[in-house]
Amino acid sequence: GAVVSQHPSRVICKSGTSVKIECRSLDFQATTMFWYRQFPKQSLMLMATSNEGSKATYEQGVEKDKFLINHASLTLSTLTVTSAHPEDSSFYICSAHSGASYNEQFFGPGTRLTVL
Amino acid sequence: DAKTTQPNSMESNEEEPVHLPCNHSTISGTDYIHWYRQLPSQGPEYVIHGLTSNVNNRMASLAIAEDRKSSTLILHRATLRDAAVYYCILRARTNNNDMRFGAGTRLTVKP
Repeated sequence: GAVVSQHPSRVICKSGTSVKIECRSLDFQATTMFWYRQFPKQSLMLMATSNEGSKATYEQGVEKDKFLINHASLTLSTLTVTSAHPEDSSFYICSAHSGASYNEQFFGPGTRLTVL
Repeated sequence: DAKTTQPNSMESNEEEPVHLPCNHSTISGTDYIHWYRQLPSQGPEYVIHGLTSNVNNRMASLAIAEDRKSSTLILHRATLRDAAVYYCILRARTNNNDMRFGAGTRLTVKP
């Protein structure tokens, strides 16, 4: 299947700093990418949907000014956690959809964020 | 999106078949049934999907009830590497392709 990568795989930062996470589709063009957050022992929670060239659509309760999403190309979406706090520590996962087939959605390996 | 109900956890012995149930009594006619699994500290991995007919692939089989209100993911011979959280997800073909996860079933495979 298609490959989605994330970088970095894990990051530790100080409270108040901003962290950028990249999500890349390596062998296909992703018209839509999704960002999820997963706390320990919990399921994935959809944070936002980003379409290439347009503003992201955020789920209810997700602060768009805190979680900045940019989908500037068909192979790259970025999530920036601004002014991170310990409660933002989580596993962030992206997924990508090519648009070519309804049923194909591919997930990245995740990024573990720890805010001290 | 219609909701799904899965048992919180299940156990299996290695090399035995595993049947993971999923109830989706409010499924609509345009909803596809998807199964993904998530190994520890990894992103979800596609397992199988179907609409009305039973489906088979190299990883698993999907048995869909005639009324589509339930389905069962079948792992024919569980291995230790199959230990994961299995998610049953309904996706309407008319939506924007987002995928919303329920709690899933944590499968433990005993040697």
